Amino acid sequence: EPEVTQTPSHQVTQMGQEVILRCVPISNHLYFYWYRQILGQKVEFLVSFYNNEISEKSEIFDDQFSVERPDGSNFTLKIRSTKLEDSAMYFCASSEALTVLNTGELFFGEGSRLTVL
Amino acid sequence: RKEVEQDPGPFNVPEGATVAFNCTYSNSASQSFFWYRQDCRKEPKLLMSVYSSGNEDGRFTAQLNRASQYISLLIRDSKLSDSATYLCVVISNAGNNRKLIWGLGTSLAVNP
Repeated sequence: EPEVTQTPSHQVTQMGQEVILRCVPISNHLYFYWYRQILGQKVEFLVSFYNNEISEKSEIFDDQFSVERPDGSNFTLKIRSTKLEDSAMYFCASSEALTVLNTGELFFGEGSRLTVL
Repeated sequence: RKEVEQDPGPFNVPEGATVAFNCTYSNSASQSFFWYRQDCRKEPKLLMSVYSSGNEDGRFTAQLNRASQYISLLIRDSKLSDSATYLCVVISNAGNNRKLIWGLGTSLAVNP
């Protein structure tokens, strides 16, 4: 069964360092997303990406965040200068273009846990 | 009023019990509704969609009440493996876009 894969599964970094989280979405999917979940809190939308550009972003997704799809398979989230409050689980998800609007089905990766010290 | 609101629980029930969760939403124009399940420290996974007429999948029944703006999830004959957080997701219009709005989740612990 196709799946979304994410690397690394866990990253520990110092405050102020840059971090890149990587995702390989399901190959025939066209919409890509990043969500985060701070421990014990709700799943929070960060950004959606379609047709090689950001289609929507939340207030959380400020100038320190960026996304890229550099090679047609990977979908990356970069945090330029990490803060303590960026510590969270970051989930990548993908969906077929129309699926999410009609069935709500996002396929999530297992997440990358980011710990900022 | 929050866009999507759930009772966080936790709900502690014995095996075999019937348990129900509600989720309220604020946007009366919301169009689609879903329940996701999230196991501890794992990714969310779609459990079931919620249709206007209500729908059932084995021990799980989902219902929508548009007049009162809530959806419900009923779990019958609960199993230990049902222990998880159940997330309500609503698709609402936001200007020209449609977006998924997530509830905080309701935690269920099924005890032997």
